[in-house]
Amino acid sequence: QQQVKQSPQSLIVQKGGISIINCAYENTAFDYFPWYQQFPGKGPALLIAIRPDVSEKKEGRFTISFNKSAKQFSLHIMDSQPGDSATYFCAGRNQAGTALIFGKGTTLSVSS
Amino acid sequence: SAVISQKPSRDICQRGTSLTIQCQVDSQVTMMFWYRQQPGQSLTLIATANQGSEATYESGFVIDKFPISRPNLTFSTLTVSNMSPEDSSIYLCSVETVRGSYEQYFGPGTRLTVT
Repeated sequence: QQQVKQSPQSLIVQKGGISIINCAYENTAFDYFPWYQQFPGKGPALLIAIRPDVSEKKEGRFTISFNKSAKQFSLHIMDSQPGDSATYFCAGRNQAGTALIFGKGTTLSVSS
Repeated sequence: SAVISQKPSRDICQRGTSLTIQCQVDSQVTMMFWYRQQPGQSLTLIATANQGSEATYESGFVIDKFPISRPNLTFSTLTVSNMSPEDSSIYLCSVETVRGSYEQYFGPGTRLTVT
């Protein structure tokens, strides 16, 4: 009930391409879905987040697509750049004031 | 957001000793959490640090091993007690800055190596 499943585990994309990372959740009480970006030696940084009352949210080159009926959401990185090379984590939470449940992470490498 | 600092940033400790990690936030926050991230792995919640009361621990984590304090709305400590090599991890504090905001921000982490 509390799991968030993330795929792929690793991803290699050419510069300028689209990176797509997928997540699926089980707990239907989840109502907040953030994505975090983590560089080696740093803490995770909040990248973008979505609530289930919308199907898509875009911030710059980053877009979250959300499918409530399928209990799935995904991160799309357009025009991927070498500086986007990092580990990305999706997460879910079922109410404010509670901790996040994280996926296992996706290591993205953008080749120049 | 909030500026979150952790001390120490890294440490190498001997088996059987204890280490206290500090988390300081530049503004008052509603919630503080402690996570563990083992090398190359995801983040696992250790406990929620409650201001003025005992922390709430997740399954698999106990107060005797990971005592937590939160004396005010900007500061918390996590102690890793009687350490073993299996405790080698990155320990991260995170905060929710505004009640009901849903947004959580993470500190830079403390990288602990136990020999």
